[in-house]
Amino acid sequence: GNSVTQMEGPVTLSEEAFLTINCTYTATGYPSLFWYVQYPGEGLQLLLKATKADDKGSNKGFEATYRKETTSFHLEKGSVQVSDSAVYFCALSATGTYKYIFGTGTRLKVLA
Amino acid sequence: EAGVTQFPSHSVIEKGQTVTLRCDPISGHDNLYWYRRVMGKEIKFLLHFVKESKQDESGMPNNRFLAERTGGTYSTLKVQPAELEDSGVYFCASSQRDVGGSTIYFGEGSWLTVV
Repeated sequence: GNSVTQMEGPVTLSEEAFLTINCTYTATGYPSLFWYVQYPGEGLQLLLKATKADDKGSNKGFEATYRKETTSFHLEKGSVQVSDSAVYFCALSATGTYKYIFGTGTRLKVLA
Repeated sequence: EAGVTQFPSHSVIEKGQTVTLRCDPISGHDNLYWYRRVMGKEIKFLLHFVKESKQDESGMPNNRFLAERTGGTYSTLKVQPAELEDSGVYFCASSQRDVGGSTIYFGEGSWLTVV
């Protein structure tokens, strides 16, 4: 079946460090891929998405590229800020379906 | 435009009691979804409404959970009787389209603690 695997957290970084959160998936067909973020005390917010292979989603300095050959959608940011501290969820939506399959989430803590 | 709103934001109940969670989707969104995240685990799909009809409730854990969507507007999710393992965050989401790749918009979640 379809699944999403994210790197275990928590991830602790100093401000301005480079961030990578790994995400790999298993799915038939051509799923759409998403990163959602949950800031403390808030709900899930769409951070970025990509709907086909080689697409790059980007938002707020975050980027992720849909790599079909490696079935990956790693999240990156060149310079993190304290305000980026949150839980990040990788998700997929399989072709022709409405269900989102989420990873377990990765907690990021950025220290000043 | 208002987003997806959920009520209550936090609830603490005793095992065996009943809790009802409410979700108001974004206006005009026919599709409404419930998801749940149990502590430390992944967010899991519970069910999907299109207007007032249940399209898929394959993710509902057992018959202690009952979801309704009266008139195709707001939705309620009732847990009766609640058990300790029901503790978690219940997210509601809505979308205009129900095909893969469509963005769905989540609410802030209802945090349920069963003691």
